[in-house]
Amino acid sequence: SYVLTQPPSVSVAPGKTARITCGGNNIGSKSVHWYQQKPGQAPVLVIYYDSDRPSGIPERFSGSNSGNTATLTISRVEAGDEADYYCQVWDSSSDQEVFGGGTKLTVL
Amino acid sequence: QVQLVESGGGVVQPGRSLRLSCAASGFTFSSYGMHWVRQAPGKGLEWVAVISYDGSNKYYADSVKGRFTISRDNSKNTLYLQMNSLRAEDTAVYYCAKDSEKVAAAGTQGYFDYWGQGTLVTVSS
Repeated sequence: SYVLTQPPSVSVAPGKTARITCGGNNIGSKSVHWYQQKPGQAPVLVIYYDSDRPSGIPERFSGSNSGNTATLTISRVEAGDEADYYCQVWDSSSDQEVFGGGTKLTVL
Repeated sequence: QVQLVESGGGVVQPGRSLRLSCAASGFTFSSYGMHWVRQAPGKGLEWVAVISYDGSNKYYADSVKGRFTISRDNSKNTLYLQMNSLRAEDTAVYYCAKDSEKVAAAGTQGYFDYWGQGTLVTVSS
């Protein structure tokens, strides 16, 4: 089955840029979606179809996808961005949705 | 506004069954695919199953195939998950999530644009 690999944790100072990667075999050929989950809350969609942003999500959130890596970029990081972030794709070979293991973003 | 409210969680013994429900409102339920996603305590998200807008197509994670059944009643705007032969490793918060598309066939999924708040299932003797 298809595997998505995320770093367990990323740390960044306020005002700096955080980059969270999601690795997968030829992931650039798939559509990648990203979710933010804060403690005790349900996940929230922050990026869909690699780089589109839902209404209400700040422009500071952006995404890219090429080759074997998709990336969620958060610019001018704020304390409120501290959360777990998950990437997700549809695996056509198994007809299953797949989530990455998640990345805990810590704002220093 | 879109609302998804799960119910039916609780404590159940290994080997027993449980049925979860997800009541939907604020959108045309019969026009969208729907998913179940779970999260074990302290762990990441795990997709469980998806059902197409009309109930004709269903897909499952390997970990639940043959034990869980996803279904929907469009007349009641409700999504279900029938869970049989429950195991300790099924212990998790179960979320229902709306797909952005109809999911008319495999590969036509979109993304999870709305999520419920989840219901906790604990499998323990």
